Amino acid sequence: GAGVSQSPSNKVTEKGKDVELRCDPISGHTALYWYRQRLGQGLEFLIYFQGNSAPDKSGLPSDRFSAERTGESVSTLTIQRTQQEDSAVYLCASSLVAGGLSGAQYFGPGTRLLVL
Amino acid sequence: ELKVEQNPLFLSMQEGKNYTIYCNYSTTSDRLYWYRQDPGKSLESLFVLLSNGAVKQEGRLMASLDTKARLSTLHITAAVHDLSATYFCAAPPGGQGNLIFGKGTKLSVKP
Repeated sequence: GAGVSQSPSNKVTEKGKDVELRCDPISGHTALYWYRQRLGQGLEFLIYFQGNSAPDKSGLPSDRFSAERTGESVSTLTIQRTQQEDSAVYLCASSLVAGGLSGAQYFGPGTRLLVL
Repeated sequence: ELKVEQNPLFLSMQEGKNYTIYCNYSTTSDRLYWYRQDPGKSLESLFVLLSNGAVKQEGRLMASLDTKARLSTLHITAAVHDLSATYFCAAPPGGQGNLIFGKGTKLSVKP
């Protein structure tokens, strides 16, 4: 079946602009995660959603970052007033349940964000 | 706060050789994940280790977990060029669904 999809695949924006990144999880997966990967670095957790529970926002680096999820489907990550240090690959992942029996997370191809 | 450390961060190997990548984590975790990332690509799940003593093998890669030592290893047997990639280990902070990742081990297998 279809994997996790993300759009756009690449985004170039000017400092100070807002951007929206989209993630479509695997159908039936109730948990959805956003991570950020700076060049040559590991993944940095941002936020995750589990079903209808309140999202875990503990990884969001500032109040310029926010995310929403419609039911158990699409999620949007919004970065307001972008800064150059926001440049990174933003990866979305989904799993059947958060921290479930296996908890294996399946990653999308990512959105490469470049802030000029 | 859970911290995950991998070593080495860079590994250059010759084809046919064996080597081990180590993943240490700082607080109790009941599971450990290994991922592979090719340049410019996303992460591919390799192994999910769910209990102490778990061992999983896929081709030339074998992963194990020792929860008492808070250590997982990824052993590479008779490396081939196709294994060149960056390998990440990750663990969930207790009671949470997200993963904390190590910095990754960039593996380069040379003929």
